[in-house]
Amino acid sequence: EAGVVQSPRYKIIEKKQPVAFWCNPISGHNTLYWYLQNLGQGPELLIRYENEEAVDDSQLPKDRFSAERLKGVDSTLKIQPAELGDSAVYLCASSLTAFGEQFFGPGTRLTVL
Amino acid sequence: GQQLNQSPQSMFIQEGEDVSMNCTSSSIFNTWLWYKQDPGEGPVLLIALYKAGELTSNGRLTAQFGITRKDSFLNISASIPSDVGIYFCAGHGSSNTGKLIFGQGTTLQVKP
Repeated sequence: EAGVVQSPRYKIIEKKQPVAFWCNPISGHNTLYWYLQNLGQGPELLIRYENEEAVDDSQLPKDRFSAERLKGVDSTLKIQPAELGDSAVYLCASSLTAFGEQFFGPGTRLTVL
Repeated sequence: GQQLNQSPQSMFIQEGEDVSMNCTSSSIFNTWLWYKQDPGEGPVLLIALYKAGELTSNGRLTAQFGITRKDSFLNISASIPSDVGIYFCAGHGSSNTGKLIFGQGTTLQVKP
């Protein structure tokens, strides 16, 4: 069974540029999560989807961050424009149900110059 | 909001030694989870605990859900070099929203 797939694995951009990350969850998993992980810290939830509905986006900085999961399968997280402080690892995870075991992808390491 | 405090922040031990790390909170958690993260990878679930007082083992790993529901520990026995990594505790808080809260991690290094 394929795990959670994320792309790209690494991204280097200049500040004020837009960037997008893609995530394909494990087949059949209804719940999809985007986490932010700063260096030396644990992951912090940005947004959680139940199928195509965003059910918890309270930690998503909505002035510059947006996310979508249009068909309830794969998802895209976008930052526009990126700031220096956005440099971090962006992790995607999925689970069968809201309280089920979360399986994480390898993450996208973003560097903003 | 609810927070988890992990200790120690880092450990450097000799191969074969036992390791203990813990996680505490000022508020109640309904589940406690322990993850391991290798460099360049996402966290992988090691042990999940669902009831206060529960003691669960997974090979050389043992974890317990504290009776007060405000703490948990993870023990690793007879450490080996591949135990190197960052260990995170995580939990679902009492608000029951499904949101998983992570600690800041314990970095483990094992000297062969």
